[in-house]
Amino acid sequence: KNQVEQSPQSLIILEGKNCTLQCNYTVSPFSNLRWYKQDTGRGPVSLTIMTFSENTKSNGRYTATLDADTKQSSLHITASQLSDSASYICVVSSVSGYSTLTFGKGTMLLVSP
Amino acid sequence: NAGVTQTPKFQVLKTGQSMTLQCAQDMNHNSMYWYRQDPGMGLRLIYYSASEGTTDKGEVPNGYNVSRLNKREFSLRLESAAPSQTSVYFCASSGGNGYGYTFGSGTRLTVV
Repeated sequence: KNQVEQSPQSLIILEGKNCTLQCNYTVSPFSNLRWYKQDTGRGPVSLTIMTFSENTKSNGRYTATLDADTKQSSLHITASQLSDSASYICVVSSVSGYSTLTFGKGTMLLVSP
Repeated sequence: NAGVTQTPKFQVLKTGQSMTLQCAQDMNHNSMYWYRQDPGMGLRLIYYSASEGTTDKGEVPNGYNVSRLNKREFSLRLESAAPSQTSVYFCASSGGNGYGYTFGSGTRLTVV
């Protein structure tokens, strides 16, 4: 069964600090990996998307990495801001079937002043 | 603004009542999806429509029906609501190969 595991489940950091969120997956066959940010009461919004051949991708202060050999990804947030407080969801797409997405449960990040 | 629009944003139903959640997208996407999100769980696919005129079951379809009214609109119907269907429902749409995946802002449904 395809699975996406994220850690930690929740995280509190001080404003201005950096943090790294982890994602491990067992999805086959692999198509791409996405990171989404979900603010409370809102729908998920795409941060990055990486295919098999991409090791890293940045979107402003967000940098995602992918190791397709170990099936691991990370999302690094630099110089955190209060507005970064949200749930961060790792999503892996499989080419089996029609654009099948497997969602992680998310990491809840709280940035404290 | 381009995107996915869901209505209503909030709804409270009594057990056994029926209702339809509406979703519309203006990005000319072929594919549309309905998910539910429950505490402590990842989003789970209820139904999807790969293209206009087609619909298929996802991971948790029981208790739901869908209609792809046209390319823009994809509705989700609960015929006889149950407390287990209390959840936040998200509609999404995507272009070819699943790219451009965009979510709506969600419908928070409570069944009492």
